[in-house]
Amino acid sequence: QSVLTQPPSVSGAPGQRVTISCTGSSSNIGADYGVHWYQQLPGTAPKLLIYDNTNRPSGVPDRFSASWSGTSASLAITGLQAEDEAEYYCQSYDSSLSGVVFGGGTKLTVL
Amino acid sequence: QVQLVQSGAEVKKPGASVKVSCKASGYTFTGYYMFWVRQAPGQGLEWMGWINPNTTGTNSAQKFQDRVTLTRDTSISTAYMELSRLSSDDTAVYYCARDTVNGGVDYWGQGTLVTVSS
Repeated sequence: QSVLTQPPSVSGAPGQRVTISCTGSSSNIGADYGVHWYQQLPGTAPKLLIYDNTNRPSGVPDRFSASWSGTSASLAITGLQAEDEAEYYCQSYDSSLSGVVFGGGTKLTVL
Repeated sequence: QVQLVQSGAEVKKPGASVKVSCKASGYTFTGYYMFWVRQAPGQGLEWMGWINPNTTGTNSAQKFQDRVTLTRDTSISTAYMELSRLSSDDTAVYYCARDTVNGGVDYWGQGTLVTVSS
C-alpha cells in the first residue's frame, strides 16, 4: 500500500491524451512538498520526466506536462506515441514518515 | 557527463549481508544527496534512504532503519549501501540515484540485482 496512490494502469490510442493521477495527503503533496514524475521503460532505470510539480528537464518533450492541486497531482501525455508505453511513478516527501515516498506506479499501454 | 556506476550482481544466502557500491563521476560528489531505491521483481520503486556525502548525514525509511547502513568514501567519489539480515523478500534491483532536492532525482545508476536464495 503506497502512500501516494496511482491507478495501476491507463491506456490510450496513438495520438490521444492520457492522464495519470497521484493522490496523496496533507503530509506530502498537500504540505507543498514537490511532486516529481519518472518514466521507466522495461529493463531500464527510471528517468526524470517532471520535477517540482510542473517543470520539464531539458530533453523531455513538451507532450509531457503535469499539474497539482491540494493533495493530488496529475501527469498528462498528449499525442501518445508507441514509445511512451512504460511505467510511470510519482514521488514526493512525506513529513509524517520523514522520508521520500513513491506512488505504486502506473502502467501505460498504447493501444 | 554525470555517471553513476554500480557494482555487479550478487547472490546471497538468507541471513547474510550485501554491500552495493555506486561510483559517481562528472560532478562534485559532495554537492548532491545520494538516494538508494530498490525494485523487487515486477514491483514498484521503494525508497530506502539517502546520504549527504558532504556531512555523512543519513536518513533511512523506517522499514530499513535497523538493517541498512549508508556510507561514502569521498576520496573515490563512491557511495555504499549495506543491507543486513537478508531474506528472500530483499531480492530486488538496487539503484543509487543523485537527488537534486527540489529538482527530483536526475541521474540513476544502472541497478544492481541482489538475489537472496538458499
